[in-house]
Amino acid sequence: DAMVIQNPRYQVTQFGKPVTLSCSQTLNHNVMYWYQQKSSQAPKLLFHYYDKDFNNEADTPDNFQSRRPNTSFCFLDIRSPGLGDAAMYLCATSRVGTGKVDEQYFGPGTRLTVT
Amino acid sequence: AQSVTQLDSQVPVFEEAPVELRCNYSSSVSVYLFWYVQYPNQGLQLLLKYLSGSTLVKGINGFEAEFNKSQTSFHLRKPSVHISDTAEYFCAVSKAAGNKLTFGGGTRVLVKP
Repeated sequence: DAMVIQNPRYQVTQFGKPVTLSCSQTLNHNVMYWYQQKSSQAPKLLFHYYDKDFNNEADTPDNFQSRRPNTSFCFLDIRSPGLGDAAMYLCATSRVGTGKVDEQYFGPGTRLTVT
Repeated sequence: AQSVTQLDSQVPVFEEAPVELRCNYSSSVSVYLFWYVQYPNQGLQLLLKYLSGSTLVKGINGFEAEFNKSQTSFHLRKPSVHISDTAEYFCAVSKAAGNKLTFGGGTRVLVKP
């Protein structure tokens, strides 16, 4: 089945130690998103890639970076995680353009713990 | 800019009873509307969406929602809930010409036997 895959599902990192979260998709969608979801809150968009074009949200901290080496993969890099960065990180994809509106398809998420 | 308000943060309901989750939005442009469900420690799954056409939208798992433009609402309903419907439900909107989602704060549904 076509899907959005996130690895790992659970990640523990130390305060200040860089960490990378991974997302891959088999849907061949041109847009990929990263959301941060803290406990009992709605997902908050960090940034998205429209094809190779990176689009950062205005309030996303500089500590968060992203890479999209090809259509299928997208990475979230947290350069110096703080305790406040502990959250669920959700990757999503959608197909935009060609006159068709497509909903966003979400991966299962990676729960990040910072010790 | 759009905003979404989910009026109830928690809704307890007995099994086989009906449930309605309220969602109101504000936007200066046309929007698309979505309801997503999130089970514990999982990602979001689309329940249903309104893009255009009939204002009554049917989704998966027996859920339906009605778009009311005059009241800027998109309430979600299910006539008879199951224990397995216990989850968090998010209403979301996107601009008709775009794809970025704005989420409401979520409604936690707890179905009791």
